[in-house]
Amino acid sequence: GQNIDQPTEMTATEGAIVQINCTYQTSGFNGLFWYQQHAGEAPTFLSYNVLDGLEEKGRFSSFLSRSKGYSYLLLKELQMKDSASYLCAARDSNYQLIWGAGTKLIIKP
Amino acid sequence: SAVISQKPSRDICQRGTSLTIQCQVDSQVTMMFWYRQQPGQSLTLIATANQGSEATYESGFVIDKFPISRPNLTFSTLTVSNMSPEDSSIYLCSVEIGGSGANVLTFGAGSRLTVL
Repeated sequence: GQNIDQPTEMTATEGAIVQINCTYQTSGFNGLFWYQQHAGEAPTFLSYNVLDGLEEKGRFSSFLSRSKGYSYLLLKELQMKDSASYLCAARDSNYQLIWGAGTKLIIKP
Repeated sequence: SAVISQKPSRDICQRGTSLTIQCQVDSQVTMMFWYRQQPGQSLTLIATANQGSEATYESGFVIDKFPISRPNLTFSTLTVSNMSPEDSSIYLCSVEIGGSGANVLTFGAGSRLTVL
């Protein structure tokens, strides 16, 4: 079956760096997405990786290793507003999105 | 990017009733997607709505329970029929917008339904 695994919850300190991991098992692969979802709000797009390597976008970076079925989202210089859930989603060979349950990130001052 | 207006934003419903959620997009799109997100759970695709044809439902979801309309390229509705407390969830409308090599899902703000 198809599956996405990511930690349920993580805690980090304001100003620090945190890495949220995601492993996926899909039938074929057509890219991996990271979304941010604040409580009570809709998910918003953060990043997309389809080739191996690191994609950097400001304070946020996303990494992909297709051979390992692994991705991570790296958040630097954490701010209180980064407290949110982070959803990992992989697109399979049928272009269907398989979603993880999300990682709730708690930022402490 | 697309702007999606979804309503109602929230509602409290009685068991056995039905509620229709509306989704309006500010541009024409081929496909619109309806998702459900139960508390603490992943996003689950209910169905894909194409203009001019019947919606395509995912495993575990049926048209009688979740009828969908798609009268034009900017609008869709999802009805949650004969509701039970298990239908309490956030329902999200979304569209795909292409660019930068990826078709990115953009979501409406969601409709939070509580069934008593």
